[in-house]
Amino acid sequence: DAGVIQSPRHEVTEMGQEVTLRCKPISGHDYLFWYRQTMMRGLELLIYFNNNVPIDDSGMPEDRFSAKMPNASFSTLKIQPSEPRDSAVYFCASSRDSEYTEAFFGQGTRLTVV
Amino acid sequence: AQSVTQLGSHVSVSEGALVLLRCNYSSSVPPYLFWYVQYPNQGLQLLLKYTTGATLVKGINGFEAEFKKSETSFHLTKPSAHMSDAAEYFCAVSDMKTSYDKVIFGPGTSLSVIP
Repeated sequence: DAGVIQSPRHEVTEMGQEVTLRCKPISGHDYLFWYRQTMMRGLELLIYFNNNVPIDDSGMPEDRFSAKMPNASFSTLKIQPSEPRDSAVYFCASSRDSEYTEAFFGQGTRLTVV
Repeated sequence: AQSVTQLGSHVSVSEGALVLLRCNYSSSVPPYLFWYVQYPNQGLQLLLKYTTGATLVKGINGFEAEFKKSETSFHLTKPSAHMSDAAEYFCAVSDMKTSYDKVIFGPGTSLSVIP
């Protein structure tokens, strides 16, 4: 398996624009996570899905953020409208449905909002 | 509420020297503990984990960590540092075996290895 695949790797956008980050989890994994990493706040869990259903989105910072998982092999994280403070590295991770096994992380998307 | 502290945001060691990265946690119940490593421009990768049983846990790349309940610590060690160990290391704690939203990550420690 190629691992968790995220696209794009880098995104630079202007404030106010819509940004969509994409993730393909590892085949057969039932859990999918979106994290945000910044120098100030470290690694934060934004939302996670189990079998394509959002379980906990309490980490989503604002209504400007939304995430979907239309099928087992694809998820998106959308920011609309984007703001400079959204600049961060966004990671997607996936895991199997069992007692805690490791979460496999993608390489991340580095988002810069100018 | 759980929390994780990592003493030292940056640690430098010489190649071949002992690596010691400190992690202390707070948890009201027996914790599950993890160490992740992040290489530049990469995602996090699990190094090792403690769930139950033996308190000395061995992980990949020669790393190990010991769970000390009395000290609420889970320090990461490696006897001899290699240049390839230079990375960011994150300690994490969870109080539930299958509640991923309960996994709390520490702020991370950046390890530099000096030739």
